[in-house]
Amino acid sequence: GQNIDQPTEMTATEGAIVQINCTYQTSGFNGLFWYQQHAGEAPTFLSYNVLDGLEEKGRFSSFLSRSKGYSYLLLKELQMKDSASYLCAVRPEGDSSYKLIFGSGTRLLVRP
Amino acid sequence: DARVTQTPRHKVTEMGQEVTMRCQPILGHNTVFWYRQTMMQGLELLAYFRNRAPLDDSGMPKDRFSAEMPDATLATLKIQPSEPRDSAVYFCASGLAGPGYGYTFGSGTRLTVV
Repeated sequence: GQNIDQPTEMTATEGAIVQINCTYQTSGFNGLFWYQQHAGEAPTFLSYNVLDGLEEKGRFSSFLSRSKGYSYLLLKELQMKDSASYLCAVRPEGDSSYKLIFGSGTRLLVRP
Repeated sequence: DARVTQTPRHKVTEMGQEVTMRCQPILGHNTVFWYRQTMMQGLELLAYFRNRAPLDDSGMPKDRFSAEMPDATLATLKIQPSEPRDSAVYFCASGLAGPGYGYTFGSGTRLTVV
């Protein structure tokens, strides 16, 4: 089966750093994605990892360890606008389906 | 900016009525997904298409849900008859099949069945 776990909620302070973890157990692995979703809006693509290591993109970085079934999203210099849900998604199969299975998301609240 | 367009944005209907949701994927994208989002279940994959052909609809309740893609510019998700437990936000997403490609989501249809 497919299982993707994330913390339900996190709170952090403006200007700080926060790390959102994601663990997964899926039938095969073909990439891990992070999406951001503001309340009442559509998810938007943040990052993609398929090899082990850290991918940095501005204030956001994403890390993957395939052997541990583990990823994290690191947000630096937090801003109030970063308050949103962050969704971890795995492409579980090595075939051509390319579907994404999502975790339940982590609601991040950034306080002044 | 290319967008996935979904209509309607909001729909309130009575139990037992038919509901049709529409999605216009981004031109050139060959893969279209339908997801449903609720507070309890998060984002669930209902069905998806590749080059307009249905690849997997195992996430849908078959007795009441149907998904089609009559042409490259239109995907539809139909519920007949609708039930209160179908109340959710339904998202369409499109993209290119291939490693490294994420998908672009539409703004969703918020469905309320009373």
